[in-house]
Amino acid sequence: NAGVTQTPKFQVLKTGQSMTLQCAQDMNHEYMSWYRQDPGMGLRLIHYSVGAGITDQGEVPNGYNVSRSTTEDFPLRLLSAAPSQTSVYFCASSFAGTNRNNYGYTFGSGTRLTVV
Amino acid sequence: DQQVKQNSPSLSVQEGRISILNCDYTNSMFDYFLWYKKYPAEGPTFLISISSIKDKNEDGRFTVFLNKSAKHLSLHIVPSQPGDSAVYFCAASGKGANSKLTFGKGITLSVRP
Repeated sequence: NAGVTQTPKFQVLKTGQSMTLQCAQDMNHEYMSWYRQDPGMGLRLIHYSVGAGITDQGEVPNGYNVSRSTTEDFPLRLLSAAPSQTSVYFCASSFAGTNRNNYGYTFGSGTRLTVV
Repeated sequence: DQQVKQNSPSLSVQEGRISILNCDYTNSMFDYFLWYKKYPAEGPTFLISISSIKDKNEDGRFTVFLNKSAKHLSLHIVPSQPGDSAVYFCAASGKGANSKLTFGKGITLSVRP
């Protein structure tokens, strides 16, 4: 019962570098999303997907790209890293519809990213 | 504009006593409210939720109360245990099957032995 798996757990990037944060879930959840957590800011939605081939922007999408080619995977790409993207990133998945509210999201353990 | 507000950043209670965590919201279109618990270096875990058509939902030691007229909800933990020490996030979801989840900033609960 792996749940939501995020890799890597830690990453240091130089300004301008690109990278992909990986997220995979084995619960056959339709809904997947990416959040970032910053001190005093709570969790802010970056991008989300309601199913394979469908993605949409959240509250803070600038500087990030996503794709959803399979139900299981939802990678987050940083195109050109900036110090403002230093944060802890969480991937989450859930069933779609009302089940999501009754059972909540399942979160991964997070990726701590530092951009220098 | 923050739609889900947790105005108190921290709360400290004695073991065995009640913990009351508060949350306010501004968007009257929110349909479901959820509480998540987060330990350091871990992802948030779902705790309990409540539909906007209810005013109370209970699960073991955890009870969530919703006051729609005041746009206020609270999470009660009775009795509090040291293992409850964590950050608690309030979140809200709009109507519609795929509406987004909006989180508050979180409150750090410390339960003293």
